[in-house]
Amino acid sequence: EVQLVESGGGLIQPGGSLRLSCTASGFNVSISYMTWVRQAPGKGLEWVSILYSAGITYYIDSVKGRFTISRDNSKNTLYLQINSLRAEDTAVYYCARGRERLNDAFDIWGQGTMVTVSS
Amino acid sequence: DIQLTQSPSFLSASVGHRVTITCRVSRGINSFLAWYQQKPGKAPKLLIYAASTLQSGVPSRFSGSGSGTEFTLTISSLQPEDFATYYCQQLNSYPLTFGGGTKVEIK
Repeated sequence: EVQLVESGGGLIQPGGSLRLSCTASGFNVSISYMTWVRQAPGKGLEWVSILYSAGITYYIDSVKGRFTISRDNSKNTLYLQINSLRAEDTAVYYCARGRERLNDAFDIWGQGTMVTVSS
Repeated sequence: DIQLTQSPSFLSASVGHRVTITCRVSRGINSFLAWYQQKPGKAPKLLIYAASTLQSGVPSRFSGSGSGTEFTLTISSLQPEDFATYYCQQLNSYPLTFGGGTKVEIK
């Protein structure tokens, strides 16, 4: 079965760091393009970052320099390292897989992991 | 950044009715537009990609159309399981922005 399972969320103080994981099964993250999308409580979806199979990455401006997307092919896992956390980073973070054609859409989504930034 | 404006932001409709949601884009994106459905507490689900192509397994009552700067998602006959929030997303340029969402509720 093709699926994504996120982990690593939790309650973290402002300024802290966290690493989110997204473990894939049924396909290889190394040959897909993968993304992170977040959703603050009661709000809409916000795209955060993308990683292409060639290693190219993009980020939304508000997380540049603080968030890093990466993958470990041997573990078939996507990561999001999030540093210098702010209250406005509080959200459910979803990882998702891109469809076959480049920048088509994201067809497989994980269940999400909650990050709460609070003192 | 490309802005996506969905309308309406909320709609109330009855089972069996036809529903249309519009997504207006601040500049042309060719057909790099997707539609997602999200139910409370769940991850988004892909419905439509490339503006008008139905994702495998999605019921045929869903359809997408449009190009350039105006796109629509239509549900031809609303079913009880369709009550959810719908989002459009552009994948033409970075950041890959979403619309603000349209919540569809039972009338």
